[in-house]
Amino acid sequence: DAGVTQSPTHLIKTRGQQVTLRCSPISGHKSVSWYQQVLGQGPQFIFQYYEKEERGRGNFPDRFSARQFPNYSSELNVNALLLGDSALYLCASSLILGYNEQFFGPGTRLTVL
Amino acid sequence: SQQGEEDPQALSIQEGENATMNCSYKTSINNLQWYRQNSGRGLVHLILIRSNEREKHSGRLRVTLDTSKKSSSLLITASRAADTASYFCATQRSGNTPLVFGKGTRLSVIA
Repeated sequence: DAGVTQSPTHLIKTRGQQVTLRCSPISGHKSVSWYQQVLGQGPQFIFQYYEKEERGRGNFPDRFSARQFPNYSSELNVNALLLGDSALYLCASSLILGYNEQFFGPGTRLTVL
Repeated sequence: SQQGEEDPQALSIQEGENATMNCSYKTSINNLQWYRQNSGRGLVHLILIRSNEREKHSGRLRVTLDTSKKSSSLLITASRAADTASYFCATQRSGNTPLVFGKGTRLSVIA
């Protein structure tokens, strides 16, 4: 069984640019969450989607947006990149909303120069 | 914001020794989970303990939860070099709320 996949693995952008990160959940999983992990810190929650609807949003500016597609894959978009957006972006999937165990992908390492 | 606070921040032990990591949190929870992360990659779920449970075992892992003290501990027995990783506790206030992670404990197991 394929786990959660994320693309790209690494990404380098410059300040002011926009970026799109992609996530494919485990087959059958309908809930996707996004987390930002800055170096030396634990992951911080950005968004949760279930059945294509936003079900939760963390304390992040409007420059961050996401969506979930009919096949339950998801995209995270970040506009007007700042140096502080440099981080590992993690996607996690779970079977249903309210299912406690989340399965994480390997992450996308974003570097903003 | 981060709810959990792991202690210690870093831990170095010899192979075969036991490793104990602690997690404290601030608000009431539905469950607490421990995750492992190797070299800044994806997190691997280790164990989940619900608020009405006091102790749970999984292989060489033992987790305790004290809701009165708002704290949890993760014990890894007979550690191996492959256990070298960062360990995070994460809490959920209810089943469908996002995980809130601590800053993690970096464990080094020396062969």
